[in-house]
Amino acid sequence: DAKTTQPNSMESNEEEPVHLPCNHSTISGTDYIHWYRQLPSQGPEYVIHGLTSNVNNRMASLAIAEDRKSSTLILHRATLRDAAVYYCILRDMDSNYQLIWGAGTKLIIKP
Amino acid sequence: DARVTQTPRHKVTEMGQEVTMRCQPILGHNTVFWYRQTMMQGLELLAYFRNRAPLDDSGMPKDRFSAEMPDATLATLKIQPSEPRDSAVYFCASGLSSGRTPDTQYFGPGTRLTVL
Repeated sequence: DAKTTQPNSMESNEEEPVHLPCNHSTISGTDYIHWYRQLPSQGPEYVIHGLTSNVNNRMASLAIAEDRKSSTLILHRATLRDAAVYYCILRDMDSNYQLIWGAGTKLIIKP
Repeated sequence: DARVTQTPRHKVTEMGQEVTMRCQPILGHNTVFWYRQTMMQGLELLAYFRNRAPLDDSGMPKDRFSAEMPDATLATLKIQPSEPRDSAVYFCASGLSSGRTPDTQYFGPGTRLTVL
């Protein structure tokens, strides 16, 4: 299974943009890149996913490198409610669609 | 606002007792996942169902854990007998898989299990 590497933690100031990096150098052509986040004492929630092109939704943007070996989740204006653990996950459509969860990045938002 | 529900939310039991956790997936979803989360291991996939059929339970200790979907509205995870090392938060998630694009997984609030 392809693996992802993320920093253990990051800090950002409230109302500033946040760029959360993820390396996935062993990604295969059929792997989708997923991002989920887990707020304290809650279950994980979906944030965004993509395959090759950059993606935007109401929560965030996903920038995927041209070689697909890395990606960046962008929160355009972080709030205190965005403090969570962010998981970058690869999902192989040729397998049983399993999500292989890493340790994630703990995002700390400073007021 | 459709949500995955899980019961109980908290369970404290003694070693050796049977524990049953229940999950109601979002109506219309055809995939169900059971995860376990601990501080040491993070999130681990225990079992995965599609259209009520088990597709993967390789992450589940076979001797004591069992997962079933008696019908499309109920998924169960049973531990018998329970052990202290089973203490964790157990999450259920559901999704709608078309087979072409990855389905978004919607997680329930979890069951916090403590085995004494």
